[in-house]
Amino acid sequence: GAGVSQTPSNKVTEKGKYVELRCDPISGHTALYWYRQSLGQGPEFLIYFQGTGAADDSGLPNDRFFAVRPEGSVSTLKIQRTERGDSAVYLCASSSNSGGADTQYFGPGTRLTVL
Amino acid sequence: AQTVTQSQPEMSVQEAETVTLSCTYDTSESDYYLFWYKQPPSRQMILVIRQEAYKQQNATENRFSVNFQKAAKSFSLKISDSQLGDAAMYFCAYRDNYGQNFVFGPGTRLSVLP
Repeated sequence: GAGVSQTPSNKVTEKGKYVELRCDPISGHTALYWYRQSLGQGPEFLIYFQGTGAADDSGLPNDRFFAVRPEGSVSTLKIQRTERGDSAVYLCASSSNSGGADTQYFGPGTRLTVL
Repeated sequence: AQTVTQSQPEMSVQEAETVTLSCTYDTSESDYYLFWYKQPPSRQMILVIRQEAYKQQNATENRFSVNFQKAAKSFSLKISDSQLGDAAMYFCAYRDNYGQNFVFGPGTRLSVLP
């Protein structure tokens, strides 16, 4: 595609529910990143994939958060037993490689609200 | 751990004037990359400019330029001839040479006054 897309753009859920957030990276990009951006703060790294495997998941806050990228393209961020503190904008980015010089292209994000 | 600090939560500039946004960072690495991203209300992060730490020359992209002071660990962004479309949140970010440890600062909200 022309850019990184994320669906849904907004998601409202109730505390304790399960949610899935989807990211479609730029075609051909092997690296994919998830970030969480809380209100008034900069993005916080969660996880990144090189191909199908999670190369670094050190940013995932706890075991309620999980992400997959089964075919090396689309990725899904999964949050179990959501809590009000999970409310944030979840950003996805992709790049052609994962080196320090590679430019990350960001999607518009999914705003998650947990009531 | 690497940290990025932006000491100006908000800045304003008159249209056509110049403004400088500050950023400092902390790292023990010698090779790394620094970035300025712009985030308009649409939420989409847009890369403004990038600096490789091994390059002494300051990066420039049209009206945007940086003042990179490696010893001081300072990386400020200068916007010349400010335009209304420059109004946004600006984030300074650090990334190590291996593509790990991508750390963002807390951001500076820039307003451009007509």
